[in-house]
Amino acid sequence: ETGVTQTPRHLVMGMTNKKSLKCEQHLGHNAMYWYKQSAKKPLELMFVYSLEERVENNSVPSRFSPECPNSSHLFLHLHTLQPEDSALYLCASSQDERVRGTEAFFGQGTRLTVV
Amino acid sequence: AQSVTQLDSQVPVFEEAPVELRCNYSSSVSVYLFWYVQYPNQGLQLLLKYLSGSTLVKGINGFEAEFNKSQTSFHLRKPSVHISDTAEYFCAVSDPAGGSYIPTFGRGTSLIVHP
Repeated sequence: ETGVTQTPRHLVMGMTNKKSLKCEQHLGHNAMYWYKQSAKKPLELMFVYSLEERVENNSVPSRFSPECPNSSHLFLHLHTLQPEDSALYLCASSQDERVRGTEAFFGQGTRLTVV
Repeated sequence: AQSVTQLDSQVPVFEEAPVELRCNYSSSVSVYLFWYVQYPNQGLQLLLKYLSGSTLVKGINGFEAEFNKSQTSFHLRKPSVHISDTAEYFCAVSDPAGGSYIPTFGRGTSLIVHP
C-alpha cells in the first residue's frame, strides 16, 4: 500500500453511537492532520499531530476525540454527534508541519452521515 | 492569520477552451502557495506549488499558475481543458510567520468542462 488510506469510506451513524475513523500513511511522514469538508465551506482544519504529539486543536467540540498512537496512524473517535457533523472527513500527512513548503498528501476521505 | 479567497464558486467552460481559476490571499511578507484538485469521491491531490524563484509555476496535467506579489494573487490557468479536468480546485496558502507551515484553504472552485 502507498499514500494515505482512510477507512471506512462511508459511515452512517446515529446520534447516540460511538464510532472511529482510521487513517494510515505509508509515506514516512511525521505530521498528520484531520480536516472537515462541508459543502460550499472552506476545508476546516480540526487537529494536527507532529511526531505523535498534538500541536493544534482548532476549537473542535469534545465529541470529536483524536488519537495518534504512532506516526503512521491517526484515529478520530466520534460520540454523540449531531446532524450538522455530517461531512467528508479528510486525513492528510506531511513530512513535517514545521518544514518549509511542505505539502500535504490526502486520503480519499470518509463520508460521514449522522442520522 | 492568512485568508484565501477563491472568487468563483463555479466555472463552466467548453472542452479545449482556456480557463483561469482565480485565487487571492491576504498579504504577508512571504507565503507559500498551493493548488490542489479534488475529483469526485476522492481526496485532494497537489497540482503545483510556489515556494520561491520563478513566479510562473508549472504543475501536473498541463496546469500552471502565476504568483503576483503586488496583487497578492496566484491564479491557475490551463490553455486547453479536457472533460477529465472537471473537478473541484482548491487554492491554499501557508504563512511561516506564524511558526507553522500548515496551509489555509479557500472554499474551492468547481470547474465544469462541457463537451
